[in-house]
Amino acid sequence: QQQVKQSPQSLIVQKGGISIINCAYENTAFDYFPWYQQFPGKGPALLIAIRPDVSEKKEGRFTISFNKSAKQFSLHIMDSQPGDSATYFCAAKTGGKLIFGQGTELSVKP
Amino acid sequence: DAGVIQSPRHEVTEMGQEVTLRCKPISGHNSLFWYRQTMMRGLELLIYFNNNVPIDDSGMPEDRFSAKMPNASFSTLKIQPSEPRDSAVYFCASSLVQGGGEQYFGPGTRLTVT
Repeated sequence: QQQVKQSPQSLIVQKGGISIINCAYENTAFDYFPWYQQFPGKGPALLIAIRPDVSEKKEGRFTISFNKSAKQFSLHIMDSQPGDSATYFCAAKTGGKLIFGQGTELSVKP
Repeated sequence: DAGVIQSPRHEVTEMGQEVTLRCKPISGHNSLFWYRQTMMRGLELLIYFNNNVPIDDSGMPEDRFSAKMPNASFSTLKIQPSEPRDSAVYFCASSLVQGGGEQYFGPGTRLTVT
């Protein structure tokens, strides 16, 4: 119940394309859903986040879509760039802690 | 702001040795988190503190692991004795709000136990 399942494990997208990463959860007590971006050799960095009372949040080229009834949320990266190549983690918060998905390694080809 | 500071950045040690990882959270942040990242298990929360008090240590794998936060600007994660399976990247993160989801991660300590 504490798990957050993330897919796909890896993703290759052409420059200018749309990258889509999906996450699913079971615990209805989760109250905050952030996405983190991690470059090799660096710590994860918060990218964008959403609360369950909102169905969509957009910041620049990054959009979170949230489906509360399906217990799913996804990250869309529009106009993907080679600089977006990184590992992306979804997460869900319960109480004071975050539960992370397994990560998606995104590669954007020029 | 300097961000979360971790030291050392890399640590290579032999099995059985004591290892101490250090973290300085962002000034003014009230919560501190220790994570371990491996290919097999992903990013796992080991323990977190609110106002220097340990709140949840259910992720600490064994009694060999211990963490302290003697003041608001310093925390340590100690492994004694270390084992090869402890090899991982250990991250420290801090957040401004207790229980907040907006966590700021340090650069990590890559630990290798031979």
